[in-house]
Amino acid sequence: QSVLTQPPSASGTPGQRVTISCSGSSSNIGSNTVNWYQQLPGTAPKVLIYTNNQRPSGVPDRFSGSKSGTSASLAISGLQSEDEADYYCSTWDDSLNGPVFGGGTKLTVL
Amino acid sequence: QLQLQESGPGLVKPSETLSLTCTVSGGSISSRNYYWGWIRQPPEKGLEWIGSMYYSGSTYYNPSLKSRVAIFLDTSKNQFSLELSSVTAADTGVYYCARHIINPRVSDWFDPWGQGTLVTVSS
Repeated sequence: QSVLTQPPSASGTPGQRVTISCSGSSSNIGSNTVNWYQQLPGTAPKVLIYTNNQRPSGVPDRFSGSKSGTSASLAISGLQSEDEADYYCSTWDDSLNGPVFGGGTKLTVL
Repeated sequence: QLQLQESGPGLVKPSETLSLTCTVSGGSISSRNYYWGWIRQPPEKGLEWIGSMYYSGSTYYNPSLKSRVAIFLDTSKNQFSLELSSVTAADTGVYYCARHIINPRVSDWFDPWGQGTLVTVSS
């Protein structure tokens, strides 16, 4: 049972826009910034979005993040086949005094 | 370019201690700006943070694992290590090391990550 709640799956066709949600509480998302990680099949996770909406260099601007209250979202526009991966949200939890992750969302490109 | 690489036994017996090392290249673990952390992923499951350590010795540990976990830094070798005692089958999974960027009360994230190493707990 993850502290942050994500839908287990999402899907879209090439070119579509897809959003993945992440729900938390006042002790985590409500008071801290959110990050998103992409895990391609058989590889280690890599940071996609940090501090709510910042993209590391090399991450396409098709990926964007937002946060409102105790929820956050990752949006992927112009969906491509190489976007097929697991996506995890993460934030600091003040009760745990450490970072927590969502359960992950498996994105399928149809 | 900072790179991290995990190493250690792939098989550990129940009740024994799991020991892993992360070798860092392209940067120093003595940097004042970063923590160094461990994250694990059970088979077909999500990510779980284990703990993180600062070069000064300051640590954060996941409360659910705190009684069994220790993280050490070896600045002379530019390595940091994880020890997890009294392991059971539930500790089986891929273990990742990562640089943990922490801005207290502002933000934190892991970047970059090592490739991960699979540890199986079995007799």
